[in-house]
Amino acid sequence: EAGVAQSPRYKIIEKRQSVAFWCNPISGHATLYWYQQILGQGPKLLIQFQNNGVVDDSQLPKDRFSAERLKGVDSTLKIQPAKLEDSAVYLCASSFLAGGTGDEQFFGPGTRLTVL
Amino acid sequence: AQSVTQPDIHITVSEGASLELRCNYSYGATPYLFWYVQSPGQGLQLLLKYFSGDTLVQGIKGFEAEFKRSQSSFNLRKPSVHWSDAAEYFCAVVGGTYKYIFGTGTRLKVLA
Repeated sequence: EAGVAQSPRYKIIEKRQSVAFWCNPISGHATLYWYQQILGQGPKLLIQFQNNGVVDDSQLPKDRFSAERLKGVDSTLKIQPAKLEDSAVYLCASSFLAGGTGDEQFFGPGTRLTVL
Repeated sequence: AQSVTQPDIHITVSEGASLELRCNYSYGATPYLFWYVQSPGQGLQLLLKYFSGDTLVQGIKGFEAEFKRSQSSFNLRKPSVHWSDAAEYFCAVVGGTYKYIFGTGTRLKVLA
């Protein structure tokens, strides 16, 4: 079974530029999550999709971050414009059932973003 | 609101020694509890989880964790550590908000 795929693995941009990350979850998984992991901290949930609907985006900085999950499969997370404090690893995860059921989340390798 | 505390930022043990990583949570009822491991450059991998029932949970790679309601703890243990266990370990809780809350992690170093 293929795991969660993310690209790119690394990205370096200047502040005020825009950037996009892509995630392909495990086939058949209904729920998709985007996390932000700042160095020295645990992952923080940014947004959670169930199929192609948003379940939770309470911690997403909506003035600069956006995410979509077209057709309930792949997802894209965008930052525009980027700030220095956005430097982090962005993790995508998916689970078979609806989030909160305690179903295991499967994580991708992450995208390491550096904002200069 | 639920929260998770991992008091130890770094732990160093010798190969073959026993290991215990601490995790304390705050939640009014019994939450779902998880331990994940993150190796350098990789995503998180689930080690074990607790929902209900037996308070001693067995996981992969020889790890186990014990849920203690009276102490609001879910500590991770391994009787004999291998060099390949060097990684960062995260405790996570899912409570009434149905949102995963991760601790800040404990980085494990294993001495040969």
